[in-house]
Amino acid sequence: EIVMTQSPATLSVSPGERATLYCRASQSVSRNLAWYQQKPGQAPRLLIFGTSTRATGIPARFSGSGSGTEFTLSISSLQSEDFAVYYCQQYNKWPPGTFGPGTKVDMK
Amino acid sequence: QVKLVESGGRVVQPGRSLRLSCETSGFRFSSYAMHWVRQAPDKGLEWVSVIWNDGSNKYYGDSVKGRFTISRDNSKNTLYLQMDSLRGEDTAVYYCATPGPGLIVPPFYYWGHGTLVTVSP
Repeated sequence: EIVMTQSPATLSVSPGERATLYCRASQSVSRNLAWYQQKPGQAPRLLIFGTSTRATGIPARFSGSGSGTEFTLSISSLQSEDFAVYYCQQYNKWPPGTFGPGTKVDMK
Repeated sequence: QVKLVESGGRVVQPGRSLRLSCETSGFRFSSYAMHWVRQAPDKGLEWVSVIWNDGSNKYYGDSVKGRFTISRDNSKNTLYLQMDSLRGEDTAVYYCATPGPGLIVPPFYYWGHGTLVTVSP
């Protein structure tokens, strides 16, 4: 099973600042990597798939990059509604499509 | 629009059984593979199971294999998860989710709101 790790566990950011989140796979997942956002009491929401393609309705301030084992999610100018937990998921070897443990983005 | 509504979660004793349902609307259910994903309290996401759109194939995560059974009724637009021999570590919010029409593999574009299963004496 491919193990996903995310760093940092918590990221403290001020509104308007840039946030960069990292996701690493234990072996290559090519570009089969997705990012989700989850707010308290809500289901996850798909942000990005295929490493860099934004899902429908996702603002352009969210961008993804990487390939193989190293991936990045960037939020160019953090808005108040962006404070949440972010999960990466690989689906190159599936089942299962393993998730990372998450990065919590909170307000500095 | 696509709507997924889970139900059936409650407090249940270890070793007992429970059946979850996911009622859907707003899309052609019979064209969508459906998944269950769970999230233990204050923990991350874990994929549980998948069923093909026509029910022809089913797969399970290692932690639930042999204890959980996924099924669907395309005439009722409803997905099910039969959970037997429940353990404390099965305590979680259970989400139904789907990648979209004609797709089987993640990522999951559509999610329900989840239903909480608590396994406790």
